[in-house]
Amino acid sequence: IAGITQAPTSQILAAGRRMTLRCTQDMRHNAMYWYRQDLGLGLRLIHYSNTAGTTGKGEVPDGYSVSRANTDDFPLTLASAVPSQTSVYFCASRRLAGADTQYFGPGTRLTVL
Amino acid sequence: GENVGLHLPTLSVQEGDNSIINCAYSNSASDYFIWYKQESGKGPQFIIDIRSNMDKRQGQRVTVLLNKTVKHLSLQIAATQPGDSAVYFCAVLDNYGQNFVFGPGTRLSVLP
Repeated sequence: IAGITQAPTSQILAAGRRMTLRCTQDMRHNAMYWYRQDLGLGLRLIHYSNTAGTTGKGEVPDGYSVSRANTDDFPLTLASAVPSQTSVYFCASRRLAGADTQYFGPGTRLTVL
Repeated sequence: GENVGLHLPTLSVQEGDNSIINCAYSNSASDYFIWYKQESGKGPQFIIDIRSNMDKRQGQRVTVLLNKTVKHLSLQIAATQPGDSAVYFCAVLDNYGQNFVFGPGTRLSVLP
């Protein structure tokens, strides 16, 4: 069982380019999340999905979009990357939305130049 | 909304000593809390959790204490080892019971 996988591990991207960060979980968790982690700011929620077919906005959703076509995959897309989106991105999942343990993937380090 | 903070951004302890990392939260209705460990270059790793109907929970070398009266959460690590060096942060389920709010983290350094 792999848990949560993310791809790519790291990426350098020119500003204005489109980029999709991939996240896959094999735990059959209903809820999935995307966070960004910046020095001094901690983890901030970008988008979430409580179940396949539904998504919601988190604390910092601007410039990002997500889709949840099935239980396992939750891609995060930057339509036109900007330097302020330079960050480490973590995908997470939990069995149920609510009071249940949340597990994280290994992260994607994204640099936008 | 929920605000979560940690009392100290850094903590240095001698190997073998006990470590205590603290977290404060603002919403008295919060009912689920998690402590995570994050090593450099890795994703956050679940350590231990506690629900609001408990005030103490123990794991292997770790104990979480919850004081709902003062809205304070602590993580105690017994006999701290070099492998415990990492950033630790708490996560508090928000007042809607949907998403977590994370503290900024405490960097624990274990001195030989």
